[in-house]
Amino acid sequence: DAGITQSPRHKVTETGTPVTLRCHQTENHRYMYWYRQDPGHGLRLIHYSYGVKDTDKGEVSDGYSVSRSKTEDFLLTLESATSSQTSVYFCAIRKPGQETTGELFFGEGSRLTVL
Amino acid sequence: EDKVVQSPLSLVVHEGDTVTLNCSYEVTNFRSLLWYKQEKKAPTFLFMLTSSGIEKKSGRLSSILDKKELFSILNITATQTGDSAIYLCAYHNAGNMLTFGGGTRLMVKP
Repeated sequence: DAGITQSPRHKVTETGTPVTLRCHQTENHRYMYWYRQDPGHGLRLIHYSYGVKDTDKGEVSDGYSVSRSKTEDFLLTLESATSSQTSVYFCAIRKPGQETTGELFFGEGSRLTVL
Repeated sequence: EDKVVQSPLSLVVHEGDTVTLNCSYEVTNFRSLLWYKQEKKAPTFLFMLTSSGIEKKSGRLSSILDKKELFSILNITATQTGDSAIYLCAYHNAGNMLTFGGGTRLMVKP
């Protein structure tokens, strides 16, 4: 158990509404990541963070923003949700010592449906 | 452009069969290749490979990397229904990112 909690776990919303997903970790790890998973695409990196207020874009960042005001929380926001953002969203952390291995630990996922 | 491609996309076998899953990659600044297993929820780590020709093994699962031909395979012997999952490979590059392939969905029938 990597001490990662994602919320909400399931959400249905309508096109054009804002949505925020929360990733909470209990172990004060520096590196946190948001991925989305869609059939046939594996996991694709949206944004990541390497510390409080330090964030950067991944390969599919358009339409998403993130914030990290505290070490333990990494928020993913869809300012105006679209149907193409229907997906399962995974938060991940990298533990100290795993920088050379690349290993990530994943949360349980948040399933978002945009109607 | 860096990429990783997994094959087959899906596979159905019967218990006791042996399966081989493939992962080919084209990346710059390669550091390692990782395999994950994903059942109904979070992906869980299986192996990390950095050197060619050195097999990593865990029970009935094993994996090997070929850095010359740029591929890795994951073998599962004597499959069980509990092996049914999506298997993901990912490369780790010097930018400290993990980039994933599309996954192979394995179904093991009794």
